[in-house]
Amino acid sequence: QVQLVESGGGVVHPGGSLRLSCAASGFTFNNYGMHWVRQVSPGKGLEWVAFISHDEDKKDYAESVKGRFTISRDKSTNTLYLQMNSLRAEDTAVYYCAKDWLKWTNLKTYFDSWGQGTLVTVSS
Amino acid sequence: VLTQSPGTLSLSPGERTTLFCEASQSVGSRYLAWYQQKPGQAPRLLIYGASNRAAGIPDRFSGSGSGTDFTLTISRLEPEDFAVYFCLQYGRSFTFGQGTRLEIK
Repeated sequence: QVQLVESGGGVVHPGGSLRLSCAASGFTFNNYGMHWVRQVSPGKGLEWVAFISHDEDKKDYAESVKGRFTISRDKSTNTLYLQMNSLRAEDTAVYYCAKDWLKWTNLKTYFDSWGQGTLVTVSS
Repeated sequence: VLTQSPGTLSLSPGERTTLFCEASQSVGSRYLAWYQQKPGQAPRLLIYGASNRAAGIPDRFSGSGSGTDFTLTISRLEPEDFAVYFCLQYGRSFTFGQGTRLEIK
């Protein structure tokens, strides 16, 4: 079955950088768009962060992270990445990678599988 | 904006319940999904396209609605159903509701 395993979270100072990874298995990674979604605290607000299409042609970002975060993927290792620069306190959250339902398209639909998440804490 | 109500529901196993999700503008063609989240776990897809059950979801879960008003109904609560439920609109970018906490009475 679909498995998504995030890593790379940790504590970072404001203005610092962090790179998150998401190892994907159980499906044909190259066929699907992928997302990052974050959650400020357990059971609380969720926010979509970024999307990358299956062929990397399309990348979209939430306004709150545009210009600071970069989404990418590595087809050879079935890994999704999120490079986060100029981090702010308000970026503190659990970051989930999620698989889009639709394949072979640049369209974004809903998230049909999620990883367990990795915690990012931005604090001085 | 997606507004979910109520914020918290206290019910007993075996009861029926309906959760509400209201959009500030039409999400168009039923681009609405529902997720369940338990403590320490990732959200789990229950419903997509407003009324379609995801694979493996029991038929006690059902979704309905269109435009701006959507509902998730659980016909008979099981102990494992007590969790937080989120709605998501994916018609115009993505917006999540703030969640409804379903707790055991």
